[in-house]
Amino acid sequence: SQTIHQWPATLVQPVGSPLSLECTVEGTSNPNLYWYRQAAGRGLQLLFYSVGIGQISSEVPQNLSASRPQDRQFILSSKKLLLSDSGFYLCAWNQGADTEAFFGQGTRLTVV
Amino acid sequence: DAKTTQPPSMDCAEGRAANLPCNHSTISGNEYVYWYRQIHSQGPQYIIHGLKNNETNEMASLIITEDRKSSTLILPHATLRDTAVYYCIVRGIYYSGGGADGLTFGKGTHLIIQP
Repeated sequence: SQTIHQWPATLVQPVGSPLSLECTVEGTSNPNLYWYRQAAGRGLQLLFYSVGIGQISSEVPQNLSASRPQDRQFILSSKKLLLSDSGFYLCAWNQGADTEAFFGQGTRLTVV
Repeated sequence: DAKTTQPPSMDCAEGRAANLPCNHSTISGNEYVYWYRQIHSQGPQYIIHGLKNNETNEMASLIITEDRKSSTLILPHATLRDTAVYYCIVRGIYYSGGGADGLTFGKGTHLIIQP
């Protein structure tokens, strides 16, 4: 069966520090991968999606970047965190354009 | 752009059916209606989806009006564990060398099941 792993579960980082969040999917190949962010009390915002290795599309301009070095690995990064980067970050995957998406358990990032 | 409209919150008594409405008046012919829910501090969970026919699975039923401009998610026997934010999503397609489905989440309906 397919599973999605996202870590760490919680993270507290100082302003200006780098960030690296990792997401991996097991039990499937060539998935579509997504990074979402949910600010406190708000809905989910799509940040990045990827349809294949090295292929990244950004939905909103921001202080973050994404990479897909392997088929089932999706990484969210920042060189210098801002206070506004705080939020709940979710990784998700689906197999094709007509299938449901499965989400990881999320990383709660607090920038202090 | 918001594609769906949902009430911000609803209450339902435990054991009763919870009926969550969603308006999607601008839905196009090839767009599906998806429902997800998010329990506090967890990732969203897929519930059900449909195109134009009513759908039922072990979690819920989805009723889509004939004109497809609105739908209702029905949880037949709500329990306290069903307390969550429920998202109604009209699924858009991103075409990028094969396509990816970037689900657009609105603010959803906060369903509170009362004991």
